[in-house]
Amino acid sequence: ETGVTQSPTHLIKTRGQQVTLRCSSQSGHNTVSWYQQALGQGPQFIFQYYREEENGRGNFPPRFSGLQFPNYSSELNVNALELDDSALYLCASSSYLTGGLASGANVLTFGAGSRLTVL
Amino acid sequence: KQEVTQIPAALSVPEGENLVLNCSFTDSAIYNLQWFRQDPGKGLTSLLLIQSSQREQTSGRLNASLDKSSGRSTLYIAASQPGDSATYLCAVVDGGTYKYIFGTGTRLKVLA
Repeated sequence: ETGVTQSPTHLIKTRGQQVTLRCSSQSGHNTVSWYQQALGQGPQFIFQYYREEENGRGNFPPRFSGLQFPNYSSELNVNALELDDSALYLCASSSYLTGGLASGANVLTFGAGSRLTVL
Repeated sequence: KQEVTQIPAALSVPEGENLVLNCSFTDSAIYNLQWFRQDPGKGLTSLLLIQSSQREQTSGRLNASLDKSSGRSTLYIAASQPGDSATYLCAVVDGGTYKYIFGTGTRLKVLA
């Protein structure tokens, strides 16, 4: 059984650029959620995907967008990068049970994260 | 708005000591509560999940309790070891939105 894998592990961008982060979910999991963790803070929920559709979103602007693919892998895209976007971006997968956001309310398996630095 | 607070922010103890980490939340309408461990620069590892109807969960040297009415959870670590050194995060699943809301964590250092 493979866990959650994320790529790239580290990357550096400049203000105004765009970035795409990738996540492969754990085998048997069909729900993916993304979190932003600033230094010294707890993770903040960005959004969740189930059946290739976003089914829950935190307080993040529209320039944060995502995709989920038929194999349940996922991408996080951030446009017009700002300095405050510098953070560890974590992907987590889980199993769908009751539908909607509740499917994320089960044991989450996290990836190791992608560390984004915006200069 | 649900807020999660963890006390203390940092803790340093000698090896072998039993210790308690605290987590409090402002809204008792939660779906469940989870404790996670995070090693520096790494992702999160789920340690224990307590459903809202449960009072505690145990795994090895770890025991987590939940008191919904008072908005509190504790993580008890018995006979601490240097390998337990990490940041411990508490997260509640909000009963209305089902979103995970994390605390800022407790950085634990166990000295050999």
